[in-house]
Amino acid sequence: KQEVTQIPAALSVPEGENLVLNCSFTDSAIYNLQWFRQDPGKGLTSLLLIQSSQREQTSGRLNASLDKSSGRSTLYIAASQPGDSATYLCAVVQGGSEKLVFGKGMKLTVNP
Amino acid sequence: DTGVSQDPRHKITKRGQNVTFRCDPISEHNRLYWYRQTLGQGPEFLTYFQNEAQLEKSRLLSDRFSAERPKGSFSTLEIQRTEQGDSAMYLCASSPPGARLYNEQFFGPGTRLTVL
Repeated sequence: KQEVTQIPAALSVPEGENLVLNCSFTDSAIYNLQWFRQDPGKGLTSLLLIQSSQREQTSGRLNASLDKSSGRSTLYIAASQPGDSATYLCAVVQGGSEKLVFGKGMKLTVNP
Repeated sequence: DTGVSQDPRHKITKRGQNVTFRCDPISEHNRLYWYRQTLGQGPEFLTYFQNEAQLEKSRLLSDRFSAERPKGSFSTLEIQRTEQGDSAMYLCASSPPGARLYNEQFFGPGTRLTVL
C-alpha cells in the first residue's frame, strides 16, 4: 500500500527565506507526483505536476524535483512571502490506479 | 469561472438524514474524482469516473454512499443515513482526457458537511 509522508508537519519562517519542503513515498511505481496548496477551509490549488520520467518542474518561484528510485520529492520555494502561508500537500498517482494518494500536508507560516 | 464547481459549499444536517452533493467538472474533462478530507489530514480517495462509467471505488465508500455521473458531465454524491463520522470536507476534482502520466487533477472548493 502506497504511503506518502511529509515532514515536518508545520514550519514557521521569516519572510525572504528560501524553503525546502519534503515529501517521501513508499512505492516508486508511480505515474506522476503533484504538489498542491490549500488555504484554510478551501479546496486545493495545483502548483506543479512532475511526470514519473521527469526530474524537475519549475513555475515562478517554485521548483519541484523528483527522485523516483529513492521515493522522494522536494518543493523549493524561493524568497518566501507572507502570501505563501498555507498548507502544502504532495500526492502521487499510483501505477494501476487513477487516484491520488496524499500526504497529511505541511503547514507553512511566513512571518512578515 | 471555468474551474470545478461544487454545490452546496456548506451543509449542516442531523444524524440519520440523507444528503446529496453536486460537482460540475471543468468543461471537456472526462475524468471526475471524489475525495474526502477530515481535519488535519490529506484528502482520501472515494471514487473515480471516466465519462459516465464508475471505474474505481474505495473501501471507504460504504453502502451508505453512492455516486453517479449519468451523462458524463456533472456528478452527484449521496450519503444516506448520515453519521457524525461523515462530517468532513468533500472534494471533487476533474482532469482532461489523456495518459495518466500527464493527468493533472484540478480541485473544486469543496462541500463542508457537518452532521449534528
